[in-house]
Amino acid sequence: NAGVTQTPKFRILKIGQSMTLQCTQDMNHNYMYWYRQDPGMGLKLIYYSVGAGITDKGEVPNGYNVSRSTTEDFPLRLELAAPSQTSVYFCASSLAGGLGQETQYFGPGTRLLVL
Amino acid sequence: DAKTTQPNSMESNEEEPVHLPCNHSTISGTDYIHWYRQLPSQGPEYVIHGLTSNVNNRMASLAIAEDRKSSTLILHRATLRDAAVYYCILSDNQGGKLIFGQGTELSVKP
Repeated sequence: NAGVTQTPKFRILKIGQSMTLQCTQDMNHNYMYWYRQDPGMGLKLIYYSVGAGITDKGEVPNGYNVSRSTTEDFPLRLELAAPSQTSVYFCASSLAGGLGQETQYFGPGTRLLVL
Repeated sequence: DAKTTQPNSMESNEEEPVHLPCNHSTISGTDYIHWYRQLPSQGPEYVIHGLTSNVNNRMASLAIAEDRKSSTLILHRATLRDAAVYYCILSDNQGGKLIFGQGTELSVKP
């Protein structure tokens, strides 16, 4: 199993541009998550999904959109990039999530720089 | 969401045990205690989790206080590869969301 894969690894965007960060998992996990990590800080949850067609906001959803049309894929969309969105983005997945004891598996991250 | 408190940094010598503390005085009865670690330039990885009883796995041990208001992650013999940021996180039964704090940065000296 490849686990959780993310593309691209690194991207530079100009202010106002749009892009989609891709995330795919091959573990048949139901739950998927997007986090961002600013320098020297812990991760903050942006959006999460409990299954195909179902998404919900996390702590910091503003400026982002998500969709979940398949179990495997959970893309994160930035519509109008701003310097405040410069960060490292991590995607994660877990088999379930409702009981609080499930393990999350993280991808390697996408480093985004907005200039 | 329940919060955790950890020291910002700790140092250890290689091949010695390391005890990483975590306070979670507002923990509720259904909150699981999770530990993840993040090696430099990588995504977080799961270390261990528990609810009430102490837990052991191949990576570490988790000691949970009787009142559950604190816990300690124990690395039995630190190696240089254990240098990372260690996060103590409480996870409830509301979607399994993890709320990360700033964690403890562990450095290991040879």
